[in-house]
Formats: sequence, structure tokens, C-alpha cells
Amino acid sequence: GAGVSQSPSNKVTEKGKDVELRCDPISGHTALYWYRQRLGQGLEFLIYFQGNSAPDKSGLPSDRFSAERTGESVSTLTIQRTQQEDSAVYLCASSIQDGPFRDQYFGPGTRLLVL
Amino acid sequence: AQSVTQPDIHITVSEGASLELRCNYSYGATPYLFWYVQSPGQGLQLLLKYFSGDTLVQGIKGFEAEFKRSQSSFNLRKPSVHWSDAAEYFCAVAANQAGTALIFGKGTTLSVSS
Repeated sequence: GAGVSQSPSNKVTEKGKDVELRCDPISGHTALYWYRQRLGQGLEFLIYFQGNSAPDKSGLPSDRFSAERTGESVSTLTIQRTQQEDSAVYLCASSIQDGPFRDQYFGPGTRLLVL
Repeated sequence: AQSVTQPDIHITVSEGASLELRCNYSYGATPYLFWYVQSPGQGLQLLLKYFSGDTLVQGIKGFEAEFKRSQSSFNLRKPSVHWSDAAEYFCAVAANQAGTALIFGKGTTLSVSS
């Protein structure tokens, strides 16, 4: 009965390094979303996965950002060659495929600081 | 393009007083609208949502919101605020009819004074 979990909860890295963020959705949730929340800003949509369909990558800000998901399980968001402007809280959400819209359940986020 | 505006960055309300948080949206078709709350150290929690039908929607924790198409607004209200309501509140609109992504406002921080 656990909710969406994310790891690590905090990550500090140096500019230019790669980072990998993990999201474990709620069991049985077929849809998974990644968002970014920069300081003082609302959430920005990054990418959406639904089952085995091609992901909606329309929100990824650059080709340094990529994400993977195997089936309906864990997803990883990878940021290559991190920049200081990548510092943000990265939030993951999952939902059940049910009707025209599905409630998104959010994880606690990973706070990323790029020095 | 779709967008959400929350005009108030920070609001302070006395405990027991009423609350209204403003939200204006820009969307060409019938919008799907949401209010989320983010308490310190916790993830976002859905308070309520509007898809169609009755323009006054009830949510959890005693919150309600009213959809006004003529004003492109979806303001959040609560008749009597509790100290535990202190948090950040986000209004959001679905980015497309499939609802595969949400567009969020920048949020309103609510402080509750005793």
C-alpha cells in the first residue's frame, strides 16, 4: 500500500557529472510522469510513460535529459553533464489508466543541487 | 498555449478566518482543472478537480473550488482555516485532452496566524 517513492531524497553533484534519479510508482499504476520544480516556480512537465507506448518526451528541456521505464515498474531519469540550472526538485507521479483522465499521485521528490 | 496564473505569491490568514486562493487559466477548450497542496517535506496531494458538470466542486479537508468560465477562474476556498492548512497550494490545468501532463501555476504559500 505504499505510495510513490523516489531515491535519493537529496543529491549534491558537481557541474558536468551525470546523475540518475529513481522513481518507484504505486503498484498497478500504468502511467508515470516526471516533473521538475525549480525554486519559486511551479512544476514543469518533463516526460510521461504509459504502458509500452512510446513516451511523451515533449517536456524534456534538452538532450542531456533522458528517462527510461521498463514495463510498468521503476523509472530512472538521467541528467548528463549537469549544469547549475538543473538544480531543482524532481518529482515523479503515477496514475491508473482509467477513463479520460487519471489522478496523479506524487512522490516526495529528489532535491538535486549542482555545484 | 495553456497557462495558469496564481496572482498571490504569499497569503497570511488568521486561524478560523475564511480563505480564497485565486487561480486564472488560459485554455482553448473545456479545461480540466486541479488544486494540489504541498506541505513541507511532503509530496503534492490532490485537493480537488473539475472536469465538467457542477461548477462548484468539493474536495478533501473542507476545501471547495468554483469554476467560472466567464472569468477563466478556478478559485479555491475554505470557510474556516486551521493552522494545519499552512502549506503551498498549486493550481493546475491539464495540458491536453488526454490529460497526460499538467501545467502548474507558480503556487501560493499560505501562512496561518494564531
